Amino acid sequence: NAGVMQNPRHLVRRRGQEARLRCSPMKGHSHVYWYRQLPEEGLKFMVYLQKENIIDESGMPKERFSAEFPKEGPSILRIQQVVRGDSAAYFCASSPGGRRFSGNTIYFGEGSWLTVV
Amino acid sequence: AQSVSQHNHHVILSEAASLELGCNYSYGGTVNLFWYVQYPGQHLQLLLKYFSGDPLVKGIKGFEAEFIKSKFSFNLRKPSVQWSDTAEYFCAVNAPGGSQGNLIFGKGTKLSVKP
Repeated sequence: NAGVMQNPRHLVRRRGQEARLRCSPMKGHSHVYWYRQLPEEGLKFMVYLQKENIIDESGMPKERFSAEFPKEGPSILRIQQVVRGDSAAYFCASSPGGRRFSGNTIYFGEGSWLTVV
Repeated sequence: AQSVSQHNHHVILSEAASLELGCNYSYGGTVNLFWYVQYPGQHLQLLLKYFSGDPLVKGIKGFEAEFIKSKFSFNLRKPSVQWSDTAEYFCAVNAPGGSQGNLIFGKGTKLSVKP
């Protein structure tokens, strides 16, 4: 049973370019979460998505960042016009779901490292 | 803002030594608490979690944690560490009023175990 799959694992972008990070949740999981880890910082929640819905985007920067989880295919975290401060590790996680946090464990992927040069 | 504090940035122990990693959180209401471990080059894995009930929680690989509500603490312990426990450990709390999966993480503690 494959875990949470993220790609690319490493991505280098020049300032002003777009970065797209993909996440395939574990089989049977319908909830996806994105976290960002800046250097020397802990993980920071960004967004929580279900299929075709954004449930909680309270941690998303207001500009340049967007996320989607379409009916078919992986979840995508998109960063437009990247700047050096976007350089970080981006982690995706998934869970089986349920309407409240009833003890479902969230499972993390191995992360995607974005470097903006 | 709610926060999670991990007291030690880097802990170095010899094999068979006992381990205690501190974790404090700043919210006074009902919380869900977690410890995650990240081995070198691997993804975050759940060690243990506390939702309710017995405040002494047993996890995988011989780890345990104790929830002390009066101290807002959830310290991780292991009686005898092994070289294979070398990893980074993260404490996390489910954001009060936040959605599921909206976890607040501490900055992590790197554990190095000398053989």
